Amino acid sequence: AQSVTQPDIHITVSEGASLELRCNYSYGATPYLFWYVQSPGQGLQLLLKYFSGDTLVQGIKGFEAEFKRSQSSFNLRKPSVHWSDAAEYFCAVSKAGTALIFGKGTTLSVSS
Amino acid sequence: NAGVTQTPKFRVLKTGQSMTLLCAQDMNHEYMYWYRQDPGMGLRLIHYSVGEGTTAKGEVPDGYNVSRLKKQNFLLGLESAAPSQTSVYFCASSLSGSAHEQFFGPGTRLTVL
Repeated sequence: AQSVTQPDIHITVSEGASLELRCNYSYGATPYLFWYVQSPGQGLQLLLKYFSGDTLVQGIKGFEAEFKRSQSSFNLRKPSVHWSDAAEYFCAVSKAGTALIFGKGTTLSVSS
Repeated sequence: NAGVTQTPKFRVLKTGQSMTLLCAQDMNHEYMYWYRQDPGMGLRLIHYSVGEGTTAKGEVPDGYNVSRLKKQNFLLGLESAAPSQTSVYFCASSLSGSAHEQFFGPGTRLTVL
């Protein structure tokens, strides 16, 4: 069965430092992979997605993610974190033809 | 263009009461979804619809019913609310299936006492 694991429940990063959020997936075929961000009290917003092709994908707000098939990973990165990036981040894999399977999320705190 | 809207934003129910959550989208999307979000659990799919007049069960459908009488609306019903249904409910829509981005509503926070 498809599944998504986000190993880090909570991460704290200093403002201006780099960020990497980990995501591992289990899926039998080439997956469709997504990263969403949820600010407090808000709905989810798509940061980026991977379907095929170039394994390094660029998203909004300066985020990028790299698909590594050999490691079943789709880690999210940002070179310099801003205080406004504090939020909860969800990795998701698309189950063919239907809905998304989400990881349990990683909460990002940004310290000054 | 409002995107995905949800009504109401907040609701408190007593055990055994019923209610309906309304989701509306103005993007002419075929697919619509209902998720619930609980602390430490991520989002879990309750029911979804691949088009007007169709519905299907997701991961956690028990205690919920849905209807998609119009393409733009997707209703989630709780016939007899239980405290275990205290959660934040999100509606989403997408143009079609797995390859397309899902657009989320702002959520409904439901408390069942």
